[in-house]
Amino acid sequence: QVQLVQSGAEVKKPGSSVKVSCKASGGTFSRYGLSWVRQAPGQGPEWMGGIIPIPGTANYAQKFQGRVTITMDENTITAYMELSSLRSEDTAVYYCARVAEVVPETLAGAFDIWGQGTMVTVSS
Amino acid sequence: EIVLTQSPGTLSLSPGERATLSCRASPSVGSSYLAWYQQKPGQAPRLLMYGASSRATGIPDRFSGSGSGTDFTLTISRLEPEDFAVYYCHQYGSSPLTFGGGTKVEIK
Repeated sequence: QVQLVQSGAEVKKPGSSVKVSCKASGGTFSRYGLSWVRQAPGQGPEWMGGIIPIPGTANYAQKFQGRVTITMDENTITAYMELSSLRSEDTAVYYCARVAEVVPETLAGAFDIWGQGTMVTVSS
Repeated sequence: EIVLTQSPGTLSLSPGERATLSCRASPSVGSSYLAWYQQKPGQAPRLLMYGASSRATGIPDRFSGSGSGTDFTLTISRLEPEDFAVYYCHQYGSSPLTFGGGTKVEIK
């Protein structure tokens, strides 16, 4: 069974960037899409964007356009999400999530496997 | 952007009772691209239903989903102790993907 293992918690200053990794253990990404979803304390989930491995095309939520970059390294079976120009409102748990059946219109879908989450705290 | 409104915000029920959770979409969700997740404190969401009415792998048959267009329902036929959690609906047919605000099912 595939597991998604994320990198550890981060504390960042406002204006800086954070890069979170997500490694597939026990499988590959090649047949699936992958998205990043964040959840602020006490709030519901929020989709940031997704990627399909072939041909490595990404789709971002307009809210994060220009600040977020999602990439995938097929060789190391690792996906990355980099968020720049951090502000206090970006404090949240960030999840990667696998998409079993990609919807062409969104390059995403229902999320059947989730990483354990990475807490990112933005504070001066 | 498709806005998903879940009701009620909190559902207070006893084990063994039936739970009915609602998710209303505006505008409508195409092709029934609607999923439901369960989330417990400190854990990632867990996929329950996709395509509005298909159960995900390993989900017990006391969970069922229905609906299309603008009105969707998640039903838990008989609540087990492990079912008390927060439930979110999620549409994935239109970008940006969006989630509802959640329904908390708590023990009465």
